[in-house]
Amino acid sequence: RKEVEQDPGPFNVPEGATVAFNCTYSNSASQSFFWYRQDCRKEPKLLMSVYSSGNEDGRFTAQLNRASQYISLLIRDSKLSDSATYLCVVNRDDMRFGAGTRLTVKP
Amino acid sequence: EAQVTQNPRYLITVTGKKLTVTCSQNMNHEYMSWYRQDPGLGLRQIYYSMNVEVTDKGDVPEGYKVSRKEKRNFPLILESPSPNQTSLYFCASSSLTGTPKGDSYEQYFGPGTRLTVT
Repeated sequence: RKEVEQDPGPFNVPEGATVAFNCTYSNSASQSFFWYRQDCRKEPKLLMSVYSSGNEDGRFTAQLNRASQYISLLIRDSKLSDSATYLCVVNRDDMRFGAGTRLTVKP
Repeated sequence: EAQVTQNPRYLITVTGKKLTVTCSQNMNHEYMSWYRQDPGLGLRQIYYSMNVEVTDKGDVPEGYKVSRKEKRNFPLILESPSPNQTSLYFCASSSLTGTPKGDSYEQYFGPGTRLTVT
């Protein structure tokens, strides 16, 4: 079993839609959690950190459920520019990346 | 401008010919790491370094070496490359940032090195 698992998608949604991604992690000792965004053939970039109290940044909301060992990312009012692969990242002693969920937002 | 640089960006080489991919950061970060990214497998950590002269194996260290003689540089060395090391490689650096809500490692990634071993 992979340490960090994500639904690979692809998720194809129309502009303006709300889309949610989930990610599960296996190590209960994990300490920090993040969502990264990666555009095709580019380097990953931090989208947002995920705290126990949740985190909201504009149209993006991230939540952490330690008891069930999953984190989520909600994107409201999707834009064409949101099309990318979203990577779930879990930190224990080092960073563990999920394989990513691919999102395509269509006009 | 804060950045992580990698060189070369693209490399095609032959089996067994030693190569080095350089990585440099200008943010005075303690932590640096190397990843490889393969389709369906995501980013997998090769080696990481918590500080100068401190390096540790990641998930897939076989066939790779690293060194950390200076804080800003973290080269990746393939002594005898093989075709299964064909991949997209990323170097990253980070510094622990505390926030009122909790700790936050923001990893800054280099632009990637696409390596093909024939």
